Amino acid sequence: GIQVEQSPPDLILQEGANSTLRCNFSDSVNNLQWFHQNPWGQLINLFYIPSGTKQNGRLSATTVATERYSLLYISSSQTTDSGVYFCAVDRETSGSRLTFGEGTQLTVNP
Amino acid sequence: EPEVTQTPSHQVTQMGQEVILRCVPISNHLYFYWYRQILGQKVEFLVSFYNNEISEKSEIFDDQFSVERPDGSNFTLKIRSTKLEDSAMYFCASRVTPSGANVLTFGAGSRLTVL
Repeated sequence: GIQVEQSPPDLILQEGANSTLRCNFSDSVNNLQWFHQNPWGQLINLFYIPSGTKQNGRLSATTVATERYSLLYISSSQTTDSGVYFCAVDRETSGSRLTFGEGTQLTVNP
Repeated sequence: EPEVTQTPSHQVTQMGQEVILRCVPISNHLYFYWYRQILGQKVEFLVSFYNNEISEKSEIFDDQFSVERPDGSNFTLKIRSTKLEDSAMYFCASRVTPSGANVLTFGAGSRLTVL
């Protein structure tokens, strides 16, 4: 199956810092989603971004499908940004399930 | 914004008991999923369901698991005889069409604890 690798596995920031999370995938995809898992375990969809760039407030994401990677940018981080960030992809040839990466554990300290 | 609704939010059960987790997908969605996340691990695919039948299942989805759409709104996951290793967060998800090229929306999850 498709491989999804996220880096870094852990990231600790001071409030106000910027960060970049990376997701590499091993095959062509027709869906890529970034999720934030909050302390209660809920998966919050941040972006649907199989290609291109999107922005939502302090968050933005870019997917370069031809090079099989996606980046999630968090600017001016806040303590509420803490949690696990997952990248998940649908392989172009299967199209029926999302495969998740291992996640990046982000801790933002005040 | 439309939501996928899951109940219960948390269930504690004894090993060997049957558990049913319930989900109400978004009303115009046709393709339904269950995923599982063991504490501290990544989210894993269990099963997909379309047109009243299983479309795909993972190796995790063995004979102890079953899914059903008993009416026009609910989508359930049944675990027949729970084991300690079934303790996990279970997520229901739905999307508009079978194509992977659209957003998969997740519910808030049902946390299952097996004692």
